[in-house]
Amino acid sequence: GAGVSQSPSNKVTEKGKDVELRCDPISGHTALYWYRQSLGQGLEFLIYFQGNSAPDKSGLPSDRFSAERTGGSVSTLTIQRTQQEDSAVYLCASSLSGTYVGTGELFFGEGSRLTVL
Amino acid sequence: AQSVTQLGSHVSVSEGALVLLRCNYSSSVPPYLFWYVQYPNQGLQLLLKYTSAATLVKGINGFEAEFKKSETSFHLTKPSAHMSDAAEYFCAVTPSSGGSYIPTFGRGTSLIVHP
Repeated sequence: GAGVSQSPSNKVTEKGKDVELRCDPISGHTALYWYRQSLGQGLEFLIYFQGNSAPDKSGLPSDRFSAERTGGSVSTLTIQRTQQEDSAVYLCASSLSGTYVGTGELFFGEGSRLTVL
Repeated sequence: AQSVTQLGSHVSVSEGALVLLRCNYSSSVPPYLFWYVQYPNQGLQLLLKYTSAATLVKGINGFEAEFKKSETSFHLTKPSAHMSDAAEYFCAVTPSSGGSYIPTFGRGTSLIVHP
């Protein structure tokens, strides 16, 4: 498809289990972002990729969270030993890079809703 | 550090009434500013953006916003609300020079439109 694709759209897991969330950005977009959206909290930045490198991962809340990107395309966000406070919608976005960074728009996927029981 | 504040987590208007959603920014230099809209169970999509050109910016679906440096504001308006405008609206900011170009988002304002 032409847009940002995320999977799964919904994930219910038990506390302590590991989960993987996938993001497939728009073809040609070198910048990729992960945000977390909790009720009433807006969008919380998690990590930013430029190509396969992550120059800013300052938003990852703990060492249970990690992310990688391969081939300058697909990205996976992994949450180990999930906790109930990890329940949220995880949004992925991509954008053109270079001169467009900062002035360009982000294109968002529909998100992955994670529920930790 | 840059930040945005959206006043009012919920705004309720009648169909046909003026829509005003408030956004104030905090930045040492005028930043780039964005409004995004999120419809239920969808991702965010760009409504409009300010990148230091014209201070009055027109976007999609009849929305517009005016950058006011003296008030550090970028409020979103629409003259006449439509039922289809009911959604969550987010203001976002990135620095115009230096620093990280990662957008910082406000907490969002839920627009409710009554018939």
